[in-house]
Amino acid sequence: QSVLTQPPSVSGAPGQRVTISCTGSSSNIGAGYDVHWYQQLPGTAPKLLIYGNSNRPSGVPGRFSGSESGTSASLAISGLQAEDEADYYCQTYDRSLSGVVFGGGTKLTVL
Amino acid sequence: EVLLVESGGGLVQTGRSLRLSCAASGFTFDDYALHWVRQAPGKGLEWVSGISWDSSNIAYADSVKGRFTISRDNAKNSLYLQMNSLRTEDTALYYCAKGQVAGPFDYWGQGALVTVSS
Repeated sequence: QSVLTQPPSVSGAPGQRVTISCTGSSSNIGAGYDVHWYQQLPGTAPKLLIYGNSNRPSGVPGRFSGSESGTSASLAISGLQAEDEADYYCQTYDRSLSGVVFGGGTKLTVL
Repeated sequence: EVLLVESGGGLVQTGRSLRLSCAASGFTFDDYALHWVRQAPGKGLEWVSGISWDSSNIAYADSVKGRFTISRDNAKNSLYLQMNSLRTEDTALYYCAKGQVAGPFDYWGQGALVTVSS
């Protein structure tokens, strides 16, 4: 059971918008620690997608956006493309565990 | 270009030890924290351990505490993970990742596969 809860799967048609939630608690997201998001394409290493709740590294398309509120965070992907089909993970720090934590991951299927 | 290259993975029996290494290049090594993150076959990401730039701040996941030891050699631009008393549940692809103490991890290696068999 992950400290951060994500839906196991989401899906959408090309061009649509999907969101992936990441629910934490008062010892991690609610304590003010930043949330970061990673994209893992099949058979590859994870890639940083969003850092500091809502910032995109250079090269990440503007279709990807992040937000945070209270004890939760969300990743939104607009204008879905077939190449977005991947696993997505949220990550933050937990002060009770004194360590980094990941969400369980969400598999995005582009219909 | 930032490169992180893991080595030292392999097949080992339960209770034995293994040492992973991560060779880094393309950035100022001693400016950054480094981490080990693992992924069991078909499963999600699990943070294993992290170490600050000067080794003054070290943390472990509860699942490996007391069995695994992280270290770094800034003179050799290398990160290590000494894994003792290995269990079958330690079977995973182990990634080396560069970043901040609490994240984010902006670069990842391709991983070293560790298989623990009884």
